[in-house]
Amino acid sequence: EPEVTQTPSHQVTQMGQEVILRCVPISNHLYFYWYRQILGQKVEFLVSFYNNEISEKSEIFDDQFSVERPDGSNFTLKIRSTKLEDSAMYFCASAIGLAGPQETQYFGPGTRLLVL
Amino acid sequence: GQSLEQPSEVTAVEGAIVQINCTYQTSGFYGLSWYQQHDGGAPTFLSYNALDGLEETGRFSSFLSRSDSYGYLLLQELQMKDSASYFCAVRGSSNTGKLIFGQGTTLQVKP
Repeated sequence: EPEVTQTPSHQVTQMGQEVILRCVPISNHLYFYWYRQILGQKVEFLVSFYNNEISEKSEIFDDQFSVERPDGSNFTLKIRSTKLEDSAMYFCASAIGLAGPQETQYFGPGTRLLVL
Repeated sequence: GQSLEQPSEVTAVEGAIVQINCTYQTSGFYGLSWYQQHDGGAPTFLSYNALDGLEETGRFSSFLSRSDSYGYLLLQELQMKDSASYFCAVRGSSNTGKLIFGQGTTLQVKP
């Protein structure tokens, strides 16, 4: 069964460094998302992406964050200058569409980011 | 603001039935989903309701009442492997599919 994959599974970085989190969504999906989950808390929406552009972003997704679909398969989240509070699990998700069963979002296994 | 309320913890025994409630207050509503998460792993889709009523998928059922801004997840014939966190999530946007998650309910299944 197709699944969303993410790399790396764990990332440790120093405050102020740039990190790029990578995702490969399910191949026939058209809608892509990033969420994050701080340890012990709920999953929070960061950004949605469709047709090679951001369709919605949350207040968390400030100028330090960017997303890109550099080719036909990868979907990346970049944090330019990491802060301690960026430490979280970052999940990528994808969906076929926005109607009925097609809007079901399938999540990747996540990247655990630790900022020191 | 937008919020989803669900109990923080539920405990039940193997073989029993448990219901996890979710009430929501969001600026938009296009459907209620339920996800299961084991120990910080990937949220796994369980069920979805866009219309009022009951949806059944094996041992899991989900119910929605849009007039009451309320839904629940029903788990039957509980198994030890059902011990996990369960999140309700509202699709709050018509054109992006953004999900707004509740805080999650930790279900502990005991022998």
